[in-house]
Amino acid sequence: EDKVVQSPLSLVVHEGDTVTLNCSYEVTNFRSLLWYKQEKKAPTFLFMLTSSGIEKKSGRLSSILDKKELSSILNITATQTGDSAIYLCAVGNAGNNRKLIWGLGTSLAVNP
Amino acid sequence: GAVVSQHPSRVICKSGTSVKIECRSLDFQATTMFWYRQFPKQSLMLMATSNEGSKATYEQGVEKDKFLINHASLTLSTLTVTSAHPEDSSFYICSADRGTGGAGNQPQHFGDGTRLSIL
Repeated sequence: EDKVVQSPLSLVVHEGDTVTLNCSYEVTNFRSLLWYKQEKKAPTFLFMLTSSGIEKKSGRLSSILDKKELSSILNITATQTGDSAIYLCAVGNAGNNRKLIWGLGTSLAVNP
Repeated sequence: GAVVSQHPSRVICKSGTSVKIECRSLDFQATTMFWYRQFPKQSLMLMATSNEGSKATYEQGVEKDKFLINHASLTLSTLTVTSAHPEDSSFYICSADRGTGGAGNQPQHFGDGTRLSIL
């Protein structure tokens, strides 16, 4: 059965800290891995990763995929209170149903 | 970028009422949309895949007659919660992607969600 596992489930840090969130997967016929940020409303898209070893970066956030290890990390440097959110990882397979398999998320709290 | 609009954002109604939620793709045509349900502090649970011009594909355990999905155009899908009861109270979210191939070749973009409260 396909599954996506995120760790840690929750994390509390202070402003300015750097955090690393993990996502591992077991998915048949892997297509891509996606990261989303969810605050009070619905998830907002952060990154989509398809190739191993190529870092994607947006401001203080970056992410990379390791297909050999079947995992991805999301890094946030110089964290701010506005980074407090649930970070969701999802993986798509190359089948025709176009569903995503979702992890449970990592709840990040950044304290001032 | 892709924009998905969901309406209403919040519904409070009495038990037995049917509630319709709309999901629109504003700047692209979406042959497929997805409906999720999310309980507090839990991840997204896919309810069904909405296919334009054909029947929705429901996930195991989701009642088709309870959660009616209609995808009549390339930009609009609706979810109707029929005869809603307090246990149907939840956060319902739709999403859509531009992709025409396998899952994940285009990211799903989400509407803002509908918080449904049944009294």
